[in-house]
Amino acid sequence: EIVLTQSPATLSLSPGERATLSCRASQSVSTFLAWYQQKPGQAPRLLIYDASNRATGIPARFSGSGSGTDFTLTISSLEPEDFAVYYCQQRSNWWTFGQGTKVEIK
Amino acid sequence: QVQLVESGGGVVQPGRSLRLSCAASGFTFRSYGMHWVRQAPGRGLEWVAVISYDGSSNKYYADSVKGRFTVSRDNSKNTLYLQMNSLRAEDTAVYYCAKPLNVAGIHLDYFDYWGQGTLVTVSS
Repeated sequence: EIVLTQSPATLSLSPGERATLSCRASQSVSTFLAWYQQKPGQAPRLLIYDASNRATGIPARFSGSGSGTDFTLTISSLEPEDFAVYYCQQRSNWWTFGQGTKVEIK
Repeated sequence: QVQLVESGGGVVQPGRSLRLSCAASGFTFRSYGMHWVRQAPGRGLEWVAVISYDGSSNKYYADSVKGRFTVSRDNSKNTLYLQMNSLRAEDTAVYYCAKPLNVAGIHLDYFDYWGQGTLVTVSS
């Protein structure tokens, strides 16, 4: 099983700041990685797929990068609605999720 | 518009069974493999099971549920099912059905639509 490790567990930032979230895979997943946003009481929302492609309707402030084992989700300037939990997911070998990074208001 | 609506959750005693349903609409259900994903209270997401578009080719399960859960579908009813037997306390979670992303006609196993989830609580 491919284990995805996200860091940090919690990111405390202010609106307008840049957020950088990391996801590391236990073995290469090529670019077969996605990022999701989840708010309390809601289902996850797909943000990025295949490491760097924005899903339909996702604002340009969200960007993804990386390949192999190291991936990054960047939110260029945090809006109030961006404070949430973010998960990465791989589809290279079965399907697994990271444990999540919570982006909270500082 | 795509809709996925889960039902069938509830409180069940350890060792008992429960069947979840996911009613799909707004897309060609019979053309998509479909997944179940769960989330224990306050925890992260865990992939549970997948079934091929026709329901007969391929079914795969997470090790944590293999031998106890069975995924199935009825394409005539646009409905996905998850039969859960021998339930354990650690199966307590919100269960989501999820649809794979379609990019230029290719189905990628990232999930662009999710249901609202149905809560299963295993407790005596």
